[in-house]
Amino acid sequence: AQKITQTQPGMFVQEKEAVTLDCTYDTSDQSYGLFWYKQPSSGEMIFLIYQGSYDEQNATEGRYSLNFQKARKSANLVISASQLGDSAMYFCAMNPFDRGSTLGRLYFGRGTQLTVWP
Amino acid sequence: NAGVTQTPKFRILKIGQSMTLQCTQDMNHNYMYWYRQDPGMGLKLIYYSVGAGITDKGEVPNGYNVSRSTTEDFPLRLELAAPSQTSVYFCASSTGLGFQPQHFGDGTRLSIL
Repeated sequence: AQKITQTQPGMFVQEKEAVTLDCTYDTSDQSYGLFWYKQPSSGEMIFLIYQGSYDEQNATEGRYSLNFQKARKSANLVISASQLGDSAMYFCAMNPFDRGSTLGRLYFGRGTQLTVWP
Repeated sequence: NAGVTQTPKFRILKIGQSMTLQCTQDMNHNYMYWYRQDPGMGLKLIYYSVGAGITDKGEVPNGYNVSRSTTEDFPLRLELAAPSQTSVYFCASSTGLGFQPQHFGDGTRLSIL
């Protein structure tokens, strides 16, 4: 079974500071992808960053980076230089590649509500 | 630049009523998905489709039906609405390639009273 765990229901960070949002996952698949999505209060789901299980380098997209530790099965999102507009719910999700019958589906964690204060 | 479009954005239903949530995408993606998001929870897969004419159940399919007659459209049907189906519903599409993200619609907020 696939399971994504986000242990921080809420996080607070001051503007311009960095923040790490935790994500651990459990899977027996050898090949998988890890995604982070942002959900602002308006409700849409915005893709932020992707990490493949065989990628040796940590993924980076602008102010977002993914701290991937495969042995620990963790994929933490790091947001540098936080901005007020970063206040949102953040979801970690996994796509197991080995299960052909559900190819492309995502398993989501419960999310972390990030609040950036001035 | 539409991407994935869902209609309606909001709806209130009475218990026992039926309705169809519409989803269309213009990215020529073969894979489409329906998720539901309950308060304080992540998204859970209801149904998915890997191409026109092919659908399969996800994690929480009970009370729902889908069809996929075209690549673009993937409607979700609720029969005999129940309060437990009060949720936010998201439609998504993708190429199906594991390293590419799913693109989501803006969601439909559905309340069953």
